[in-house]
Amino acid sequence: GIQVEQSPPDLILQEGANSTLRCNFSDSVNNLQWFHQNPWGQLINLFYIPSGTKQNGRLSATTVATERYSLLYISSSQTTDSGVYFCAVESIYNQGGKLIFGQGTELSVKP
Amino acid sequence: EPEVTQTPSHQVTQMGQEVILRCVPISNHLYFYWYRQILGQKVEFLVSFYNNEISEKSEIFDDQFSVERPDGSNFTLKIRSTKLEDSAMYFCASSGQAYEQYFGPGTRLTVT
Repeated sequence: GIQVEQSPPDLILQEGANSTLRCNFSDSVNNLQWFHQNPWGQLINLFYIPSGTKQNGRLSATTVATERYSLLYISSSQTTDSGVYFCAVESIYNQGGKLIFGQGTELSVKP
Repeated sequence: EPEVTQTPSHQVTQMGQEVILRCVPISNHLYFYWYRQILGQKVEFLVSFYNNEISEKSEIFDDQFSVERPDGSNFTLKIRSTKLEDSAMYFCASSGQAYEQYFGPGTRLTVT
């Protein structure tokens, strides 16, 4: 089945710094989503981005489907950005909607 | 903005008991999913459901698990006889015609 790898596994930033999180996947996808898991365990939808570039405030994401990777950019980080960021993909060969999640990047933003 | 809701937020049960986790998907969505996340691990797919039947299930989704859409709004996950290793956060998700899935806030299940 499709493999998803996220890097780095952990990241510590000072407030105000910028960061880039990466998601590599092993096969063609028809769905790629980025999530933020907050300290209460909730999964917050950030982006639905199987290809192209999107921006939402301080966050933006780019997926290069032909090269099988996606990047999540966080600019001017805030302490509230702390938590785990997951990338999840659905293979084009899957018909049932199964999302495969990466292991996540745990981000800690220090004041 | 429409959202997926789940009840209860936290359920504590004894090993061997049956539990039912409830979800209300977004109203015009047609595809429904359950995922789980054991503490400290990644999120894992359990099952997808469309047109009143299971579309796909993972190897985790054995005979102890079942799903149902008992009416036009609810989507439930039943665990017949809980084990200690069923302790996890369970997420419900739904999607419409597009592929994007919307996740609920989760139910934390603790089996003692």
